[in-house]
Amino acid sequence: DTAVSQTPKYLVTQMGNDKSIKCEQNLGHDTMYWYKQDSKKFLKIMFSYNNKELIINETVPNRFSPKSPDKAHLNLHINSLELGDSAVYFCASSQGRGQMGNTEAFFGQGTRLTVV
Amino acid sequence: GIQVEQSPPDLILQEGANSTLRCNFSDSVNNLQWFHQNPWGQLINLFYIPSGTKQNGRLSATTVATERYSLLYISSSQTTDSGVYFCAAAPHSGGYQKVTFGIGTKLQVIP
Repeated sequence: DTAVSQTPKYLVTQMGNDKSIKCEQNLGHDTMYWYKQDSKKFLKIMFSYNNKELIINETVPNRFSPKSPDKAHLNLHINSLELGDSAVYFCASSQGRGQMGNTEAFFGQGTRLTVV
Repeated sequence: GIQVEQSPPDLILQEGANSTLRCNFSDSVNNLQWFHQNPWGQLINLFYIPSGTKQNGRLSATTVATERYSLLYISSSQTTDSGVYFCAAAPHSGGYQKVTFGIGTKLQVIP
C-alpha cells in the first residue's frame, strides 16, 4: 500500500494550459502539504492544510490553487501554466500536533511537470 | 524563519568508505528529519530525530538539539547510497510550523 500517492507522475503540457495534480494519503494524517523542487533540487513549501483548512500559504502565484475535499486528499490546480512552473511537485502528509508543530512527514513520489 | 544549512554540498566516496553529513539549524526544533532522494527522485524517510541518536542498519543519526546540529553517519557505503541527502527542520515555537529543507548533500559512491 502506498502511503502518499500522487497522480500523475509525469505531466508535459503547453504554456497557458490549466492542469491538476492529485494527492491522497492513507496514513490517517490530518496535515498535508505541497512542496516544489526546482532544478537545483531545492525543496520549498507552497501550501499546508490541516483538517481541510489552509494553514500555510507561502508566496505562491495565485495561479496555484490547492483544494482539500477531505483530510486524506489535497489537490493542486495550476492555471495558465508558465515555463517557470516546470519543476517536481511533491505532496506530503504528517500528523499535526495542533499548535505545537508537526511530526514526521511522509512524501509522495513526486510529479514532474514540464511546461513547453 | 528557521535556517537549515547542510555540509558538505557534494561528496564522492569509494565504496566501503564511511562518511558524516552535517546539518546546522538556527533555532530550537521540534521536528528534524533526514531524507534520501534517490536517483529516481523518490524522497525516502531515513530518520525522524529531533533529539538523541538512532540507528538503522548502516545508517545512524544524532541530533544535539542544545547545540543546534544533527549528523548523519553512513558506514560501509554502497553504490545504492548515491543520491541527495536532505535535512529538514521545523522550529519549536507556537503555531503551525512549516518544515524547512536544507539544500542537500549530493553523495556519489563509486565502485
